[in-house]
Amino acid sequence: ETGVTQSPTHLIKTRGQQVTLRCSSQSGHNTVSWYQQALGQGPQFIFQYYREEENGRGNFPPRFSGLQFPNYSSELNVNALELDDSALYLCASSLPLAPDGDTQYFGPGTRLTVL
Amino acid sequence: ELKVEQNPLFLSMQEGKNYTIYCNYSTTSDRLYWYRQDPGKSLESLFVLLSNGAVKQEGRLMASLDTKARLSTLHITAAVHDLSATYFCAVDRGFKLIFGTGTLLAVQP
Repeated sequence: ETGVTQSPTHLIKTRGQQVTLRCSSQSGHNTVSWYQQALGQGPQFIFQYYREEENGRGNFPPRFSGLQFPNYSSELNVNALELDDSALYLCASSLPLAPDGDTQYFGPGTRLTVL
Repeated sequence: ELKVEQNPLFLSMQEGKNYTIYCNYSTTSDRLYWYRQDPGKSLESLFVLLSNGAVKQEGRLMASLDTKARLSTLHITAAVHDLSATYFCAVDRGFKLIFGTGTLLAVQP
C-alpha cells in the first residue's frame, strides 16, 4: 500500500510569484485535504476535495485554489505569494466511512519559503 | 467557532515517569484524533476516538475521550526518549480537522 506523497519537498519563491504543490493520495483514498502549518503552530485547514469537487474550505483567500484529478491526486495553487505564505503545506488523504473513522493520513509536506 | 486547546504546551519529562496531556474543545464533537509530529516531519496518526468513553492504547500511550466534558487525554506511561516529539489533538468538524496548539514533549534521561 502506497502512502501519501507530495512534491516538491522544498521550494523557494519570491513575493508575487505563483506556486503549485502536488499530492498523490494513499491507495484507495478518494478524499484529499490541504493544510498550512506555520512554524510552531498546528495545521490550519485550507480546503478538501472529494471526487474532484471542493468539499469544504477554510479561512483562506481565493488566491489559494486547488484541483483534484480522476486518479484522486491533487494540486494546491497559490497566486501572488506573500511572505506570510511561508509554511509547511501538508496534504492528507482519507476514505469516508472507512473503519478507521475517516482518519486523515498525512504526506511528508512541502516546505515553502517566500522571500 | 470551534477552539481546541492543549495543555501543557511544553512538557519536560523524566524517563520512567508518567504524564498526561489534556485536550479541551469548545463545541460538541464525537470524533477526535491524536497525531505525533517529529521535528521537520509530517504528522503520524496515533489514535482515533469515535465515541464518548472511548479508550485506545498503543504501547506506552493511552488516549481517552469524554464528549460530555469536551475533553480528551493522552496518558504517557514510563516515558522513554523515543516519545520526544510534538503531539497534536484534532477535532473532526465534518470535512475538516481543527488542530490544537500542540504539546512539545521532551524526555530527559
